[in-house]
Amino acid sequence: SQTIHQWPATLVQPVGSPLSLECTVEGTSNPNLYWYRQAAGRGLQLLFYSVGIGQISSEVPQNLSASRPQDRQFILSSKKLLLSDSGFYLCAWSPTGEVEQFFGPGTRLTVL
Amino acid sequence: AQSVAQPEDQVNVAEGNPLTVKCTYSVSGNPYLFWYVQYPNRGLQFLLKYITGDNLVKGSYGFEAEFNKSQTSFHLKKPSALVSDSALYFCAVRDIDDYKLSFGAGTTVTVRA
Repeated sequence: SQTIHQWPATLVQPVGSPLSLECTVEGTSNPNLYWYRQAAGRGLQLLFYSVGIGQISSEVPQNLSASRPQDRQFILSSKKLLLSDSGFYLCAWSPTGEVEQFFGPGTRLTVL
Repeated sequence: AQSVAQPEDQVNVAEGNPLTVKCTYSVSGNPYLFWYVQYPNRGLQFLLKYITGDNLVKGSYGFEAEFNKSQTSFHLKKPSALVSDSALYFCAVRDIDDYKLSFGAGTTVTVRA
């Protein structure tokens, strides 16, 4: 069966520091991958999605970037964190040809 | 463009009573519709989806949803709510020609014993 992992689970970082969040999917190949941010426990904002290695689409211009160095690995990065980057970051995947997305456990990021 | 509206921020019901969480959507073409549930500090769990066919869709944990094309709605229902159903519920829509989901703002369900 397929499994999605995210780490770290929680992270507290100072303003101006770099960020790297990792997401990996097991048990599938060539998945579509997504990064979302959830602010204040409410609606989800799509940040990036990827349909293949090295293929990244950005939905919202901002302080963050994403990379997909391997088929089942999706990384969210920032060179300098802002206070407004605080939130709950969720990675999701969908099988090729399927419509539903499956979410990871999330990373709680607090920028101080 | 696609969007989802969940008109109720909160729904409160007594255990054993029916539960309904409302959702309306807007897409340019035909929709794929989804419901997810989120428990505190957890990721979203997939409950059910509508792709095509029967307008009544059955999902996990006794939940079901009814697709109504004329009213552009996809309300989530459960005949008898449990205290453990207390969580944040999200409706989502995707145009069949796209692969991006648009989520509603979420509805907090509280089931009291």
